[in-house]
Amino acid sequence: QVQLQQSGPGLVKPSQTLSLTCAISGDSVSSNIAAWNWIRQSPSRGLEWLGRTYYRSKWYNDYAVSVKSRITINPDTSKNQFSLQLNSVTPEDTAVYYCVRIEVAAYWYFDLWGRGTLVTVSS
Amino acid sequence: QSALTQPASVSGSPGQSITISCTGTSSDVGSHYLVSWYQQHPGKAPKLMISEVSKRPSGVSNRFSGSKSGNTASLTISGLQTEDEAHYYCCSYAGGTSVVFGGGTKLTVL
Repeated sequence: QVQLQQSGPGLVKPSQTLSLTCAISGDSVSSNIAAWNWIRQSPSRGLEWLGRTYYRSKWYNDYAVSVKSRITINPDTSKNQFSLQLNSVTPEDTAVYYCVRIEVAAYWYFDLWGRGTLVTVSS
Repeated sequence: QSALTQPASVSGSPGQSITISCTGTSSDVGSHYLVSWYQQHPGKAPKLMISEVSKRPSGVSNRFSGSKSGNTASLTISGLQTEDEAHYYCCSYAGGTSVVFGGGTKLTVL
């Protein structure tokens, strides 16, 4: 059974970097089929796809235009996990952050979700 | 791109059928068969209910069905049960590397 286990701090100060990690069990971050995503949810912005990483002979990343200048998603093959870094955060970045799998990268449906991490941006 | 448009709320009685609409544009819902639907109970992560407009993942009840016409996708739940009470979100591929979600619909089972 595939599971995604999220970890990371729930409180980040304004202007600092938000960092979360998603450990994968039952699948591989190096899968040639899947893509590994971060999605966030807030009352003001609803569900918002942030970006993804996937492997097809080499690593690729796609990022949402809204966060492209501030986001990095990295795979860690040694630990079978992937991470999110979001720089220069503001209170607008307060949200529940989910790591999510797209089972087949080309089909853009999110079939497996982590439990979510509430991240609050506040001093 | 703008969020897909869903009704804020719908309601129905146990055993009845309801339909939730999801209206987009010719750039997203209207031009791709990559529409999906998610169920979210309070405090839980969303759960995939429908992929590729009308495909049900393994384990999802056949009471859930999806369809699309033009720029509008729809989720129909038949034989409503109390456990169906939740928020429902639609999602569509919007070309390139972009995807857009609906604002969500709260389903109340009366």
